[in-house]
Amino acid sequence: NAGVMQNPRHLVRRRGQEARLRCSPVKGHSHVYWYRQLPEEGLKFMVYLQKENIIDESGMPKERFSAEFPKEGPSILRIQQVVRGDSAAYFCASSPSTGLANYGYTFGSGTRLTVV
Amino acid sequence: GESVGLHLPTLSVQEGDNSIINCAYSNSASDYFIWYKQESGKGPQFIIDIRSNMDKRQGQRVTVLLNKTVKHLSLQIAATQPGDSAVYFCAEEGSGNTPLVFGKGTRLSVIA
Repeated sequence: NAGVMQNPRHLVRRRGQEARLRCSPVKGHSHVYWYRQLPEEGLKFMVYLQKENIIDESGMPKERFSAEFPKEGPSILRIQQVVRGDSAAYFCASSPSTGLANYGYTFGSGTRLTVV
Repeated sequence: GESVGLHLPTLSVQEGDNSIINCAYSNSASDYFIWYKQESGKGPQFIIDIRSNMDKRQGQRVTVLLNKTVKHLSLQIAATQPGDSAVYFCAEEGSGNTPLVFGKGTRLSVIA
């Protein structure tokens, strides 16, 4: 019973390139959340998606960042024209429904993005 | 801004002692709280949760205490073991099923 799968685990990009981070949720989970974590800090919410819909993107930078969760396939977090400040660990979590009181999040192992 | 924060960034304890990790939150409307453990290079792992209608909940070697009056949450780990060494985060579910808000974390180091 696979958990949340994220790939790649490590990603190195030069400034100005695009970064694509993938997240396959737990089978049967239709809710996906992306978080960013800087070294020695907590996780910052970025975006919450359901299949084919963005529900809450209040934590997403207005430029260069986008996310999708298509009907088929993994959720993708895309960062265009990366800058050094984008270097961080990006975590994806999934849940079967909203409302954590009944369901928890399952987190993936993260993608560590380094911009050189 | 963040609504969840932690008092201590690091905590060192002797193996076998009890650990207490504290957390303050500011959103009085939050009704669900979770403690996560994050080991180096891994994603957060669920430890224990508590609803706002409770003030204490116990798991295996862990206890979470909630004091709504002062908006304080604590995680107690009994007989701390080397495998407990990690960063611990409290998180809250905001009102209206909004996504989890995390605090900055406390690094627990267990001294053998």
